[in-house]
Amino acid sequence: GENVGLHLPTLSVQEGDNSIINCAYSNSASDYFIWYKQESGKGPQFIIDIRSNMDKRQGQRVTVLLNKTVKHLSLQIAATQPGDSAVYFCAEIDQAGTALIFGKGTTLSVSS
Amino acid sequence: DTEVTQTPKHLVMGMTNKKSLKCEQHMGHRAMYWYKQKAKKPPELMFVYSYEKLSINESVPSRFSPECPNSSLLNLHLHALQPEDSALYLCASSQRTGGFEQYFGPGTRLTVT
Repeated sequence: GENVGLHLPTLSVQEGDNSIINCAYSNSASDYFIWYKQESGKGPQFIIDIRSNMDKRQGQRVTVLLNKTVKHLSLQIAATQPGDSAVYFCAEIDQAGTALIFGKGTTLSVSS
Repeated sequence: DTEVTQTPKHLVMGMTNKKSLKCEQHMGHRAMYWYKQKAKKPPELMFVYSYEKLSINESVPSRFSPECPNSSLLNLHLHALQPEDSALYLCASSQRTGGFEQYFGPGTRLTVT
């Protein structure tokens, strides 16, 4: 069935380090992926998206990499800051192309 | 304005109560969504409205009843809920369904006693 999951439930880094959050997906037909950040007490906030015709997309301090061969998605955060501490979810469009399916989430903790 | 607003922020209700959650967006989006999120879990899709018509109901119990009065508003009517329905209820909207960014509201924290 459709499943989007994350390799690690938690990730702890020092301020200034680069962070890499990974996600594996199972639907090889998915053509749209999003990374969301959810801070405590708030709704998910869009970070960056990527379509399947790309393998890399860069934003401000963030980069998303898509490896369709192994069905793997990653989010790289450069110079991680305490304000980056949150739960990060990857999501993919379902087979019907209608709704998002979220992965399990990775909690990023940044210590200063 | 890229904001999705939800009211109330918190809601405590008994199992015999009837209450409603409200969601509003003014981005001209034609797709709106309800998600349920339990603690430390990802959001789970409940309903999708596309052009004010219900297009997806993810086998949600009938004690949850969605309503889309117009393209800017989305309601979730609650009746005879169970304690296990306690969760964060998130509303989202996107330009259309499919490969478009979904904007989320802050959620309503619901507690059923």
